Amino acid sequence: KQEVTQIPAALSVPEGENLVLNCSFTDSAIYNLQWFRQDPGKGLTSLLLIQSSQREQTSGRLNASLDKSSGRSTLYIAASQPGDSATYLCAVRHQDSNYQLIWGAGTKLIIKP
Amino acid sequence: NAGVTQTPKFQVLKTGQSMTLQCAQDMNHEYMSWYRQDPGMGLRLIHYSVGAGITDQGEVPNGYNVSRSTTEDFPLRLLSAAPSQTSVYFCASSPRQGLGGANVLTFGAGSRLTVL
Repeated sequence: KQEVTQIPAALSVPEGENLVLNCSFTDSAIYNLQWFRQDPGKGLTSLLLIQSSQREQTSGRLNASLDKSSGRSTLYIAASQPGDSATYLCAVRHQDSNYQLIWGAGTKLIIKP
Repeated sequence: NAGVTQTPKFQVLKTGQSMTLQCAQDMNHEYMSWYRQDPGMGLRLIHYSVGAGITDQGEVPNGYNVSRSTTEDFPLRLLSAAPSQTSVYFCASSPRQGLGGANVLTFGAGSRLTVL
């Protein structure tokens, strides 16, 4: 059974730092992996999607990498800003699953001004 | 604005009561789904639908019913609420994709349900 883990559960860093959020999964037979952002009282917003054949995706200050063989993905945030404060979740779509995503519990990120 | 609309945003129920969480999308998405989010856990899929008249169970379907009579609407019914159903519920939709497709989901803002 696919399991997705995100460590740490919470992270607090000063503004301006570059940081890395981690996501690990137990079964490498995935179609894709997605990173989402969740703001309090709001829904989730998709940030980046990496197909199983890709190694990384970039959007602005965000860069997500995927290493299927080791079951890991990282989300790199450059030059962090207080507006980046949110909970970041990763989710994988397994090859045997039609549409179902398996989610990590998220990393709550606080950027201190 | 186009998107996914969930109502109500907050609801308090007593054990045994029934209610329906509403979800509507105006993007003509074929795929719609319901998730629940509990503290310290990832989102878990309750039910999903790949088109009008078609529904299927997700990971945690017990205690919930769904129907999909139109493309736009996908209500979630709690038949007899239990304290274990206290959670935040999210509705999400996407265009239908084949296996391996990039099913980027659009989420509603969530419905916080408390069962006493």
